[in-house]
Amino acid sequence: AQSVSQHNHHVILSEAASLELGCNYSYGGTVNLFWYVQYPGQHLQLLLKYFSGDPLVKGIKGFEAEFIKSKFSFNLRKPSVQWSDTAEYFCAVQFGGGATNKLIFGTGTLLAVQP
Amino acid sequence: ETGVTQSPTHLIKTRGQQVTLRCSSQSGHNTVSWYQQALGQGPQFIFQYYREEENGRGNFPPRFSGLQFPNYSSELNVNALELDDSALYLCASSLDPSRGIEQYFGPGTRLTVT
Repeated sequence: AQSVSQHNHHVILSEAASLELGCNYSYGGTVNLFWYVQYPGQHLQLLLKYFSGDPLVKGIKGFEAEFIKSKFSFNLRKPSVQWSDTAEYFCAVQFGGGATNKLIFGTGTLLAVQP
Repeated sequence: ETGVTQSPTHLIKTRGQQVTLRCSSQSGHNTVSWYQQALGQGPQFIFQYYREEENGRGNFPPRFSGLQFPNYSSELNVNALELDDSALYLCASSLDPSRGIEQYFGPGTRLTVT
């Protein structure tokens, strides 16, 4: 079955610390990969996406992610977090085949950044 | 803000009742997808509508149904509500249903079933 795993459910960091959130998916075929963020009280927003090409993609607010096909992974990174990065982060995958652009989401990682 | 709106914001229903949730897609978008986000979980795909036809469905029972109107707005209907239906219901719109096309999410409707 198609699935997405996020291994870090709750992460607490101090400001200026580096961040890496893990994401793995189950399928070996063609995938499109996304990271979404949900700030408190706000809707889901797209941080970054990968469709093809350079496996290191840059998104908004200083975030980046690296696609490693051999590991079925798409980890999110930020060199130095800020208090305003406190939010829930979701990895999502569009798997190959099918007639829709439906997203399969991971369970999310709640990030708390302490000032 | 994405331009996707949902109503109502919050809703409380009793087990066995029926509920209708509404979504207005972003201007120019003809595809609407619905997701259920239970507490502590990621969103799960319910179904998608494209040009007023159901275009794909997730693993949800038939008591979850939907509509899309000529203006591409959409409704999600849930019959015979169960306690486990308590969740945040998200609507997402996109330009078309093709893979690689980004979805834009609304703020959600929080449904509580008692």
